[in-house]
Amino acid sequence: DAKTTQPPSMDCAEGRAANLPCNHSTISGNEYVYWYRQIHSQGPQYIIHGLKNNETNEMASLIITEDRKSSTLILPHATLRDTAVYYCIVRALLDSNYQLIWGAGTKLIIKP
Amino acid sequence: SAVISQKPSRDICQRGTSLTIQCQVDSQVTMMFWYRQQPGQSLTLIATANQGSEATYESGFVIDKFPISRPNLTFSTLTVSNMSPEDSSIYLCSVSMRTGFGEQFFGPGTRLTVL
Repeated sequence: DAKTTQPPSMDCAEGRAANLPCNHSTISGNEYVYWYRQIHSQGPQYIIHGLKNNETNEMASLIITEDRKSSTLILPHATLRDTAVYYCIVRALLDSNYQLIWGAGTKLIIKP
Repeated sequence: SAVISQKPSRDICQRGTSLTIQCQVDSQVTMMFWYRQQPGQSLTLIATANQGSEATYESGFVIDKFPISRPNLTFSTLTVSNMSPEDSSIYLCSVSMRTGFGEQFFGPGTRLTVL
């Protein structure tokens, strides 16, 4: 199983880009990388996912290294509402079913 | 996307009792999952709820302790049986529109405290 490693916490100034790193050095070729976030007292929220190519949507950008052993989630203009725990997750095929393997996450604090 | 509701939103229960948590989705979905999130921890998958058949449990979780039903494509229940204080957690329902697709939508969770 691929596992992910993230820094436990990060700070970012409001209005600046927040760059959240994730290591997934044991990822295999067919495993996707997903990012979710969890705002306090809410259920997790899907942000973005990717396999090999960089991806961008209205929430964030995902940069995946060429060897796929790490990735970075970029929130281009962080706001106070982006304060949350961000989870980098690998989707793996286990016992014929796809599952999300959740790591410990990064607590991102956006400061005014 | 899907809108997911859970009942109850929170409860305080006595040791040895059981609690059934309901998960209702506003549209038909392919996959439904139940997670546990212990205080300050990440999410752990309990089981995949299968329509019309027994749920698929992850290692460390058994049907006798966490019976699950899924009678149709929009509804599921999770029961936490014979509760102990160690079962105090947030229980989350999530859904996915496609088989094997990792984009899941989560409910607000049920915060359970066992005394």
